[in-house]
Amino acid sequence: ELKVEQNPLFLSMQEGKNYTIYCNYSTTSDRLYWYRQDPGKSLESLFVLLSNGAVKQEGRLMASLDTKARLSTLHITAAVHDLSATYFCAANSRFGNEKLTFGTGTRLTIIP
Amino acid sequence: GAVVSQHPSWVICKSGTSVKIECRSLDFQATTMFWYRQFPKQSLMLMATSNEGSKATYEQGVEKDKFLINHASLTLSTLTVTSAHPEDSSFYICSAGRGGTEAFFGQGTRLTVV
Repeated sequence: ELKVEQNPLFLSMQEGKNYTIYCNYSTTSDRLYWYRQDPGKSLESLFVLLSNGAVKQEGRLMASLDTKARLSTLHITAAVHDLSATYFCAANSRFGNEKLTFGTGTRLTIIP
Repeated sequence: GAVVSQHPSWVICKSGTSVKIECRSLDFQATTMFWYRQFPKQSLMLMATSNEGSKATYEQGVEKDKFLINHASLTLSTLTVTSAHPEDSSFYICSAGRGGTEAFFGQGTRLTVV
């Protein structure tokens, strides 16, 4: 059974600082996803990582995937208040299937 | 991009009544849709996989007689919460894939049972 763990669960950081959210998954998965969720809203897709060594960047966010270590990271550079949200990673449970197992989520608060 | 629409966005119902939530893929056909539930400040938990033209596959611990899923067409899946109780109050989110690398999520439905 696929399990996905994220840490930290809560992260409070000052504007301008850098930080990394970690996502570990327990069994082989061919896709790793990162989502953002604002309070009361659904999920906003940030990144889809498909292969070992994949790195994607969008603005101040950068995601990477190490399939050998079963680890993905979401790196935040020079955080700004607008990035405050809950971030989820998710992995698919079976090759070629969009059924996802989600991590616990990281609630990120950026302090001015 | 692919759009998945959920309706309603929020619903309040009395305990003991049933509520139907619709999930539509607007610009693509989805042979498979997924229903998730999210309790406040928690992660998303998969409830069931909805397959067009066949019975849904439920995750362990999800009562299939309470959460009725119907995938009547390639663009529509419905989740009916039967005999709803306050503990069923949650945020329900559907997703649909088109056989590629990504599933697309609906806006979610906030259900409050009073």
